[in-house]
Amino acid sequence: EVQLVQSGAEVKKPGESLKISCKGSGYSFTSYWIAWVRQMPGKGLEWMGIIYPGDSDTRYSPSSQGHVTISADKSISTAYLQWSSLKASDTALYYCTRRDATGIAADVSTGGFDYWGQGTLVTVSS
Amino acid sequence: SYELTQPPSVSVSPGQTARITCSGDALPKQYAYWYQQKPGQAPVLVIYKDNERPSGIPERFSGSSSGTTVTLTISGVQAEDEADYYCQSADSSGTYRVFGGGTKLTVL
Repeated sequence: EVQLVQSGAEVKKPGESLKISCKGSGYSFTSYWIAWVRQMPGKGLEWMGIIYPGDSDTRYSPSSQGHVTISADKSISTAYLQWSSLKASDTALYYCTRRDATGIAADVSTGGFDYWGQGTLVTVSS
Repeated sequence: SYELTQPPSVSVSPGQTARITCSGDALPKQYAYWYQQKPGQAPVLVIYKDNERPSGIPERFSGSSSGTTVTLTISGVQAEDEADYYCQSADSSGTYRVFGGGTKLTVL
């Protein structure tokens, strides 16, 4: 059974750093792209970026570039989303999700997202 | 940056047909994907590559594309279809993905 299990909720202060995780199981972790999606309280979905754990090829949305870092450790089938200096506006629910097999190699414009983690709630407040 | 535009809300009675639109300049050259999200749950893919339905998704869900607009159609709407629906696609160069703002489907 394919599963993406995310790390637990976090409460941080502005300016602090944070790294949240997403562990994949039940499939070949290095063969599928993993994306991160943000959902601010009561708002819609925002695509942040995507990584291919097989070679760590990473792409970012324009709004996320420079604000977060996406990485992966294929030895433990885990993808990460990290911040070096959190802001109150980073308060949101963060999902990791797997790009499905209809995606075409490194063309990140293709493929649906078929499995999702349970979400990690990040709260940034002084 | 690139944007996809959806109506904030659509309301239909049970058994009727719901149509949710999504507009974007790059849609003629990029596939669209549709996700359903119910309160407190992760999104679920309901349509991929404009009009393909993943296994396990009811046949009443369908997708279509015409120029810069794609449409999710739910025929014979049921109470369980009440949810937020998001379209997703890519910018014209295929560099990154974006979601539409979401449409809240209310079943009256």
